Amino acid sequence: GENVEQHPSTLSVQEGDSAVIKCTYSDSASNYFPWYKQELGKRPQLIIDIRSNVGEKKDQRIAVTLNKTAKHFSLHITETQPEDSAVYFCAAPSSSNTGKLIFGQGTTLQVKP
Amino acid sequence: EPEVTQTPSHQVTQMGQEVILRCVPISNHLYFYWYRQILGQKVEFLVSFYNNEISEKSEIFDDQFSVERPDGSNFTLKIRSTKLEDSAMYFCASRVGTGDYEQYFGPGTRLTVT
Repeated sequence: GENVEQHPSTLSVQEGDSAVIKCTYSDSASNYFPWYKQELGKRPQLIIDIRSNVGEKKDQRIAVTLNKTAKHFSLHITETQPEDSAVYFCAAPSSSNTGKLIFGQGTTLQVKP
Repeated sequence: EPEVTQTPSHQVTQMGQEVILRCVPISNHLYFYWYRQILGQKVEFLVSFYNNEISEKSEIFDDQFSVERPDGSNFTLKIRSTKLEDSAMYFCASRVGTGDYEQYFGPGTRLTVT
């Protein structure tokens, strides 16, 4: 069935360090992989996404890598800042073609000043 | 920048009552979704809607739930007889159409069933 697994569930880093969050997916037909940042009580906000025809995408301090063979993708945040503290969710579309997203369990990132 | 909007931001209701959660998707978007997030848990898909009909629904979306697009702008989620376990954050999302996968989420409605 459709499944997205995300690790770790919590991550604590010192300001300035890098953070890496990993996700695996089960549906080999998935071709779009977004990452959302959710602050407490707020909506999920798309921070970066990647299509299956590329292996890496970067936007300033944020990058996403994709390994289609292994069916996993990762979020990399460099030079972390306290305002990066939030819950991060990965997601992948289901094979049903409706565009519905299957979300990972979330990673609570804490950046300590 | 256009945004998805949702009302109310917080709804408190008694068990067994009906609630209607409202969403206004981005105007040129064609695909609409409702998701649910129980406090501290992941976001879960409820239902997708396209071309004025449900295109997919999850196991959570049982007979107590219904969706409507009563006019050209609103998209509503109705829960007929709320249960305690319906307490959650409900997010509406929309996307442009085929080939554009990005979903834009509304701010959510926090539903509290007492």
